[in-house]
Amino acid sequence: QQQVKQSPQSLIVQKGGISIINCAYENTAFDYFPWYQQFPGKGPALLIAIRPDVSEKKEGRFTISFNKSAKQFSLHIMDSQPGDSATYFCAVSGGSNYKLTFGKGTLLTVNP
Amino acid sequence: KAGVTQTPRYLIKTRGQQVTLSCSPISGHRSVSWYQQTPGQGLQFLFEYFSETQRNKGNFPGRFSGRQFSNSRSEMNVSTLELGDSALYLCASSWDSAYEQYFGPGTRLTVT
Repeated sequence: QQQVKQSPQSLIVQKGGISIINCAYENTAFDYFPWYQQFPGKGPALLIAIRPDVSEKKEGRFTISFNKSAKQFSLHIMDSQPGDSATYFCAVSGGSNYKLTFGKGTLLTVNP
Repeated sequence: KAGVTQTPRYLIKTRGQQVTLSCSPISGHRSVSWYQQTPGQGLQFLFEYFSETQRNKGNFPGRFSGRQFSNSRSEMNVSTLELGDSALYLCASSWDSAYEQYFGPGTRLTVT
């Protein structure tokens, strides 16, 4: 059973546009929802994370929107730039399991 | 502050051999986690260590093992390598638990 479902698999956006990636989870015990950015040949880099006590968190051009009742959260990248072209992973964690469970990833391409 | 370091960065082994990968966490971090990344399965949790104790283990065969030393450095070992073990092995560290995990660049293992 896939604990976190990420969509879309790939996304092409024009420079200056908004990129939106979605994730849905099953287990209501999850209480930590990070997004990671990975460039080819590099390890994933923590981008932004949210806890379920808030519905939105913004850091620069990156925003997480969180819908607890729908068990969904999304990453919004405003004013997308070619340098944002990378693979993005959502993840979930919670309780005392000490691990991150990742979505399958979204390959974002921002065209100049 | 230096990031997570992993050695070696690249490794080529033959089926049936064993391999040991090393990870040095961010200074002060006591939790070290290992993940396997493949194109087909994505990012999958292997195990997590805190203060030399394994607190959680993923769904991998017993050929995959790890340990953590008193200085928080960690190693993982894969015995009797199979072709399917070819992957990027990522180490991540944090103060404690899965919150704010920071990843290293990974070790690319190729099994021939």
